[in-house]
Amino acid sequence: DGGITQSPKYLFRKEGQNVTLSCEQNLNHDAMYWYRQDPGQGLRLIYYSQIVNDFQKGDIAEGYSVSREKKESFPLTVTSAQKNPTAFYLCASSTHGTSYEQYFGPGTRLTVT
Amino acid sequence: GQQVMQIPQYQHVQEGEDFTTYCNSSTTLSNIQWYKQRPGGHPVFLIQLVKSGEVKKQKRLTFQFGEAKKNSSLHITATQTTDVGTYFCAAQGAQKLVFGQGTRLTINP
Repeated sequence: DGGITQSPKYLFRKEGQNVTLSCEQNLNHDAMYWYRQDPGQGLRLIYYSQIVNDFQKGDIAEGYSVSREKKESFPLTVTSAQKNPTAFYLCASSTHGTSYEQYFGPGTRLTVT
Repeated sequence: GQQVMQIPQYQHVQEGEDFTTYCNSSTTLSNIQWYKQRPGGHPVFLIQLVKSGEVKKQKRLTFQFGEAKKNSSLHITATQTTDVGTYFCAAQGAQKLVFGQGTRLTINP
């Protein structure tokens, strides 16, 4: 059963703690993306990766970090430097970059207090 | 950087009424994609338009790409409660998609 998974669905953290969000895909997609969505807002790109061991900053990369050691996995770390981390985080993947549709995971809703 | 403006931001209709959302860019787009996000869910790909003046239909949904490839629209005929959600357009940028702000559709049954 192919797809993209994110875990956990809900995550609660105290301010000042780093937290890592998981994203795994078994679609054999080369490209993976992380987006942030705030209530009633659109999607803002945090980081993206077109190939293993390579990634680029998106529009709002400050306070976030990623790694792409395996094709299937693209974890996102929300660091304590991120001033307003509470949001809905969506991971997506696609073949051949952006000319093809993006498949989204179910998302992780992060709450930092 | 590239931007796509999507209007309206919100639209509330009575069930059975039509709905249209528009996506505009100041630059020529190579293609445009449309996604739907149900409340509490994640975006799901609907369609991609590539050719100038292209029109595609999916049941009650009609997608258009402008002749100049600078705008696009999604029209839903006779809305149903299952159409509730936020509709996003997305344009291809350099190695990434640029999403519009989305149009949130609510329906009065």
